[in-house]
This record gives sequence, C-alpha cells and structure tokens, in this order.
Amino acid sequence: QSALTQPPSASGSPGQSVTISCTGTSSDVGGYNYVSWYRQNPGKAPEAVIYEVTKRPPGVSARFSGSKSGNTASLTVSGLQVEDEADYYCSSFAGNNIYVFGTGTTLTVL
Amino acid sequence: EGQLLESGGGLVKPGGSLRLSCAGAGMDFNNYPMAWVRQAPGKGLEWVSAISGAGGGGFYADSVKGRFTISRDNSNSTLFLQMHALRVEDTAVYYCTKIRGINWWDPWGQGSLVTVSS
Repeated sequence: QSALTQPPSASGSPGQSVTISCTGTSSDVGGYNYVSWYRQNPGKAPEAVIYEVTKRPPGVSARFSGSKSGNTASLTVSGLQVEDEADYYCSSFAGNNIYVFGTGTTLTVL
Repeated sequence: EGQLLESGGGLVKPGGSLRLSCAGAGMDFNNYPMAWVRQAPGKGLEWVSAISGAGGGGFYADSVKGRFTISRDNSNSTLFLQMHALRVEDTAVYYCTKIRGINWWDPWGQGSLVTVSS
C-alpha cells in the first residue's frame, strides 16, 4: 500500500492550463478505471473534483478534466483562476477493498 | 447530499484507546459503504478503513490492521472507528466519508483531531 506519486507543487498564471500527474502501478492506477481527484483548501475537508478517471461530480466546473495512460493518471485544470489554489490529491482503488491516495500537489496560481 | 459530523477525538497517551463516531444526516446512509481517511499534521491523506453498507467485516490499511475496528449502526446512521494500541504516528485529523461509487468519496465530514502524546 505505497502512496501514489505526485509532484509536490505545480503552478500557472490565470487563464493558463496546468496538469498534475499521479503515478502508481499496475496494481492500482494501471489496473482499474477508478481514479479520483480531490481538492483541499487549508483547514477544510477534501472535496471530489473527478471520479472514475474522467467524470465530474455535479457542480464541479468543466475546467477540471481527468485522464489516464498506463500507470499514470492526470488532472488538468484549464483557465486557471485564483480560487483554484489548493492542495490536490489523487486516489486509486487497489483491489480487494483497498484504496490508496497520492502524496499531494500544491497548486499555486501566480 | 447531506452531512457527516465526526465526534470523539481528543488527546490520548500512547497505548491508549479512543472511539470515533460519525453521524450522517440528510442522506441515504444505509445503502452505501463508508470509510475513514486520516491526515497527519502537514501531511497528505491516508485511507484507514472501509465498511460495506450492510456492515459486517471491515477493510483496513496495513498501518492500522489489528488495532482499529470499523463498524456501523444503520438504525442511527452512525459510523464508528474503535482505535486501540494508539501510537504517536496515529496523530491526525480523522475524516469520515461516504463511498458514492468505487473510489468516489463524497461527502466528507469536517474531521476530528486525534492527538497521541505522553
């Protein structure tokens, strides 16, 4: 149950796009289409922005999109806005009712 | 989609026990699996445990297996986490969350801080 690997930080200017990667193994990310992404503001609980690799929960902006290739999943935030600044975590199902989270990425909007 | 409210956190000595509760309101609680996720101070999220909608045996991260027990009382829409043999490294904010789909966690509670220290 090793954590999925994310870059510690990512940044972009308002209006730009930024992509955050999430690398696992064939036992988690690569083995299932059950990757989700969570945004967490300081002192707050996480909230889902993507589930099942590409799906957006109700109310989440279409600026958020997800994808996966092999053992790496990605979250892309388009048209960056200041309010997108937050910590982002990926998560994957790993079989046998086991789940794993990523190491987290702090997104800064310059 | 309702709310989840955790309680039961606090300060406990190493080797001690604590029981967390999570009450669900305004949601379909009984038909969904539930989970606990924790976050150590300044650190990332860590899945701790999950349980099916019907209850029964739980599933655990290796870091807590044999020390923590998850359970639920569907008649009162409440989730529990019984923690024994607590270690300093168990210090964290513990969140309860509903598993809406496989690996889709929503909503989340506000979190309950557990501090293990002598």
